[in-house]
Amino acid sequence: EIVLTQSPDTLSLSPGERATLSCRASQRVASTYLAWYQQKSGQAPRLLISGASTRATGIPDRFSGSGSGTDFSLSISRVEPEDFAVYFCQQYGTSPSITFGQGTRLEIK
Amino acid sequence: EVQLLESGGGLVQRGGSLRLSCAASGINFKDYGMSWVRQTPGKGLEWVAGISGSGGSTYYADSVKGRFTISRDNSKNTVSLQMNSLRAEDTAVYFCAKFEAASTLGPFDTWGQGTLVTVSS
Repeated sequence: EIVLTQSPDTLSLSPGERATLSCRASQRVASTYLAWYQQKSGQAPRLLISGASTRATGIPDRFSGSGSGTDFSLSISRVEPEDFAVYFCQQYGTSPSITFGQGTRLEIK
Repeated sequence: EVQLLESGGGLVQRGGSLRLSCAASGINFKDYGMSWVRQTPGKGLEWVAGISGSGGSTYYADSVKGRFTISRDNSKNTVSLQMNSLRAEDTAVYFCAKFEAASTLGPFDTWGQGTLVTVSS
């Protein structure tokens, strides 16, 4: 099983600042098999990025994903008030090889 | 608009059984693989089970293999999770989630709102 470790656990920023979230895998992940999700309190996760860098439908271009191999990142160019949430990375392939990171909480500074 | 609506959660005793259902709308259901994912405050998100669009292929996490069964009825646009021999550690919010394609390969592009399962010890 591929273990995903996200850092930091909590990121405190002010609106307008740039956010960079990290996701490190215990084994190489094919870049087409890495996704990022946003989850707000009491809601289901929402797909932001798939294939490591492809934004999902309707996702603003301030969100971007990058990385390959074992190191991936999600960046938010300028954090908006609605972006404060928990972010998860996920690696996927043919089931049962689906695992999630533990999440990074983006909070208002 | 694609919508997934879960039902069937509740309180059950350890060792008991529960059946979750997820009704899909807004899609040609048989064209998409489906999955169940659970979430707890302590363990975060955990993939539980997946099923292909045809229903011919099913997959399970080791933690539930032999106890849970995923199935689908493409005539009713529903996917179900039969949970037997429930344990305290199965307590979680269970989400129904849709794959991007008929296989179980890919991210989850749509999620339901979740249903809470509580296993009392």
